Amino acid sequence: AQKVTQAQTEISVVEKEDVTLDCVYETRDTTYYLFWYKQPPSGELVFLIRRNSFDEQNEISGRYSWNFQKSTSSFNFTITASQVVDSAVYFCALLPGRDDKIIFGKGTRLHILP
Amino acid sequence: DGGITQSPKYLFRKEGQNVTLSCEQNLNHDAMYWYRQDPGQGLRLIYYSQIVNDFQKGDIAEGYSVSREKKESFPLTVTSAQKNPTAFYLCASSTSPSSYNEQFFGPGTRLTVL
Repeated sequence: AQKVTQAQTEISVVEKEDVTLDCVYETRDTTYYLFWYKQPPSGELVFLIRRNSFDEQNEISGRYSWNFQKSTSSFNFTITASQVVDSAVYFCALLPGRDDKIIFGKGTRLHILP
Repeated sequence: DGGITQSPKYLFRKEGQNVTLSCEQNLNHDAMYWYRQDPGQGLRLIYYSQIVNDFQKGDIAEGYSVSREKKESFPLTVTSAQKNPTAFYLCASSTSPSSYNEQFFGPGTRLTVL
């Protein structure tokens, strides 16, 4: 089965706390791509990162970091020193190598409380 | 400003009526997509088009139709055959037919059936 699971439906943290959003994927392909998108209250999704299955290096972009572990089929997303503007729904997504359709997880709604 | 526009932002329809959602992009992207988003369900692919005058069904195409007569435009018609059309509809585009490339999203249209 090709699947993305975001077990955390909703998370609330106080501003300046760190928060990690979990993403677990399933695919039978050895080549695949993983994505994270942010959906702010305005509605449109914003691309955050793409990672291919052969690159397990962790990535950091400002307050955002991603931990890709093939051994556990996980691609977790951490926000450091969270801010109110980080409040949004975050989607993890999988593109299996032999397919041309992205599979989205159900999303995690993140609330950053002032 | 380059981007994707969707209109209208809110749409109300009576049962039994067909309705067309507009999606226009000026990014010169070859590929365009339509997704449906329901609360707690993530995004599900309705139709996608990798090139003008060609399109493919996604996972939930029943009750929907599309056309791709121009590169910039990919309208979605929600027909009366769609049993539960109330949802948030998102249009996206990407530079090349491969879904490997990041997708750029429009602001969405919220359709409500009265």
